[in-house]
Amino acid sequence: DQQVKQNSPSLSVQEGRISILNCDYTNSMFDYFLWYKKYPAEGPTFLISISSIKDKNEDGRFTVFLNKSAKHLSLHIVPSQPGDSAVYFCAAGDSNYQLIWGAGTKLIIKP
Amino acid sequence: GAGVSQTPSNKVTEKGKYVELRCDPISGHTALYWYRQSLGQGPEFLIYFQGTGAADDSGLPNDRFFAVRPEGSVSTLKIQRTERGDSAVYLCASSPSGGDDSDTQYFGPGTRLTVL
Repeated sequence: DQQVKQNSPSLSVQEGRISILNCDYTNSMFDYFLWYKKYPAEGPTFLISISSIKDKNEDGRFTVFLNKSAKHLSLHIVPSQPGDSAVYFCAAGDSNYQLIWGAGTKLIIKP
Repeated sequence: GAGVSQTPSNKVTEKGKYVELRCDPISGHTALYWYRQSLGQGPEFLIYFQGTGAADDSGLPNDRFFAVRPEGSVSTLKIQRTERGDSAVYLCASSPSGGDDSDTQYFGPGTRLTVL
């Protein structure tokens, strides 16, 4: 039973446009959500996070939106740049150290 | 500063053999985590250390898997009698204090284990 789902295995976006990556979860006990970015042959790197008491968190070109009623979060990247091409993982936690991860979405930024 | 390092980067072994995977966390980080990532999936939690002790090993799939962190820094993941299903990328992460999910985990590049 997947508690965190990223239903799009891949996404292709034109450079300069907005990239929207989606994530759904089933466990209402999750209270902290994170996005990690992963390049080939490297470990995941932390990108941005959001607590369940918020519905939006912004950091430069990256914004994460949380809709608790829909158990849905999304990552917006604007404007998209070639260096953003990577696999993006959504992860969720419930007040301890254990994170439950989605399967990832491969983002391809086209020049 | 230096990030999390893992050795070897690749390990190929035969079914039934014993392997050790090493993780050097970021200096000063008290929390250390091991994850396993199979193809097409996200990382799956294996074990969490707080200092020298395994605070939670509930993610270890069976008793063939064992991990140690004797001095509270370097950790070794040990897999006995390897099986083909153990083939995956094994990721190590460390965080400054651990204990809650807001403590950012920093990942190493992983060790790709292939069991023939």
